[in-house]
Amino acid sequence: DAGVIQSPRHEVTEMGQEVTLRCKPISGHDYLFWYRQTMMRGLELLIYFNNNVPIDDSGMPEDRFSAKMPNASFSTLKIQPSEPRDSAVYFCASVGAERGEQFFGPGTRLTVL
Amino acid sequence: GENVEQHPSTLSVQEGDSAVIKCTYSDSASNYFPWYKQELGKRPQLIIDIRSNVGEKKDQRIAVTLNKTAKHFSLHITETQPEDSAVYFCAATFPYSGAGSYQLTFGKGTKLSVIP
Repeated sequence: DAGVIQSPRHEVTEMGQEVTLRCKPISGHDYLFWYRQTMMRGLELLIYFNNNVPIDDSGMPEDRFSAKMPNASFSTLKIQPSEPRDSAVYFCASVGAERGEQFFGPGTRLTVL
Repeated sequence: GENVEQHPSTLSVQEGDSAVIKCTYSDSASNYFPWYKQELGKRPQLIIDIRSNVGEKKDQRIAVTLNKTAKHFSLHITETQPEDSAVYFCAATFPYSGAGSYQLTFGKGTKLSVIP
């Protein structure tokens, strides 16, 4: 298995633009998590899904953030409109229910100018 | 909810010495405690984990101990090498009980520097 896949790896955009981050979890994993990591706030959980259904989105900072999981092999995190304070590394992680081990993707480094 | 405290925030050791990182958790129902290593610019990677029915687990130079009574767990790295330099995160999670499980609560991280 290729592990958790994220794209793009780097994204530079201007304030006000829409940004879409993509994630493909490990095949067979039932849970998918979106995190944001910054120096100031560390690793923050934004939202997570179980069997494609959003379970807890209390970590989503504002209505500008939205996430979807249309099927078991794909999820998106969208920011519209983007702001400079959204600059961070965004990680996706997936978990297999059998063992509960959480595996992270390589992350997307987002820079909003 | 769960709260995980991690200490120290930074740790410097000489190559070959041991390093110990400690974490405490608040929810006695938590039963899975993974440790992640994150190198600069890379993803967090699972290096070892322990479940509440075990007191200690070893994998080569790394080991994790768990004290359920005191609600703390520790990472031990022996014979440290420069490539062990990274940020280490501890985490805890609730029992497997349907929707709402597997959500990890992370510590703030420990930056380990191994001095050659």
